Formats: sequence, C-alpha cells, structure tokens
Amino acid sequence: NAGVMQNPRHLVRRRGQEARLRCSPMKGHSHVYWYRQLPEEGLKFMVYLQKENIIDESGMPKERFSAEFPKEGPSILRIQQVVRGDSAAYFCASSPEDQGAGTEAFFGQGTRLTVV
Amino acid sequence: KQEVTQIPAALSVPEGENLVLNCSFTDSAIYNLQWFRQDPGKGLTSLLLIQSSQREQTSGRLNASLDKSSGRSTLYIAASQPGDSATYLCAVRQSYNTDKLIFGTGTRLQVFP
Repeated sequence: NAGVMQNPRHLVRRRGQEARLRCSPMKGHSHVYWYRQLPEEGLKFMVYLQKENIIDESGMPKERFSAEFPKEGPSILRIQQVVRGDSAAYFCASSPEDQGAGTEAFFGQGTRLTVV
Repeated sequence: KQEVTQIPAALSVPEGENLVLNCSFTDSAIYNLQWFRQDPGKGLTSLLLIQSSQREQTSGRLNASLDKSSGRSTLYIAASQPGDSATYLCAVRQSYNTDKLIFGTGTRLQVFP
C-alpha cells in the first residue's frame, strides 16, 4: 500500500507562471488536506477536500489559489501567477472516511516550490 | 481559536540522554493529538497518535502523554541517539468545525555523539 504520493518533489517557476501540485492519497482514503510550510514557519492548513467537494477552504488565499479533488485522479493545488512569496513546501495529507478520534493523518513528502 | 505552542524551540543534547518535549494547546475540544517527525527537506512521519480519551501512547523509545483538561502533551524520548535528530511537531485535530490539523511550530532536536 503506497503512501501519499506528491509530485513533483521540486518545482521551479518564474514569477507570473502557473504552478500545479499533485497529490494521490493513500489507497482507500477519500479525504485530502493541503498544508503550506513557509521557510522557518510551521505548517498552516490551506484546504480540506473530499471527492468532488471542497469542505473547508478557510486557509486558502483569496486570490490565485484553487484546489480540486476530482472523482477520478489526484487532487490538484493550483497557483496562478506565482509570486516570490509563494515559495514554500506544500504538503498533502490523507485520511480515511471514518473521522473519529482514532483517525490518523498521513503525509506525503511534499512539493517544494521555488519562485524565481 | 486554537493555538498550539511547543517548548523548547530548539534542543541540543549528548547521546544517551532522556528528553521531554512539550506541547500545549488552548482549546481542549480535540479529537486527538499527533506527534510527527520532520527531517530537513523531507515530509512528515507520524510517530504517535493519542485519542482524546487516552492518557498515553508508547512506541519503542517514544512515549507520548496527553492531559486534555490542562491542554498539554509531552513526548518523552528515552536514551536519545544521533538518528533522533530532527524537528518534532505536534498537531491537534479539532472535534468541531472540520478535521484539519493545527500544528505547533516544532522543536528542533540535535543529538550529538
């Protein structure tokens, strides 16, 4: 059972380009979360998705950022017109449908975005 | 608003010492608390998960305790080794709103031979 898979591991974009980050949850997991870790800061929640639904996007910047988790395929975090301040590590986590107290979150290796 | 704090921010110890890392949170309405390890430039590895109804969990040389009413958790590392050097993060999962994790800023641990 493969873990949470994120790609690419490293991504370099010039200012103004688009960045697309992909996340395939663990097999059997239907809940996906995206977190951002800015340099020398802690992880901050961005968005929580279930298949074809955004459940909580309270941590997403209001502009340029969007996320989806289609019925088929990976979850995508999309950043349009990137700026230097978007440079960070973006982590995806997944968990199974049961969200009780024993539910554990599993994280991918992250995508490190560098905007030049 | 839930806030998670970790003390100390950094710790450097000789090999063999027993360590205690602290995590505190302001809102006791949590489902569970997870401790993670993060190596430089890498992802997060889950170490231990303590459910809100539990007091502690153990895995090998690691023991995590939870005192929900006082908003505190500790991670105890016995007989530390250089391979334990990493950043340790605690995160709480709220029992209302949504199931997102709220992270502390971490304790950066260095164990030297």
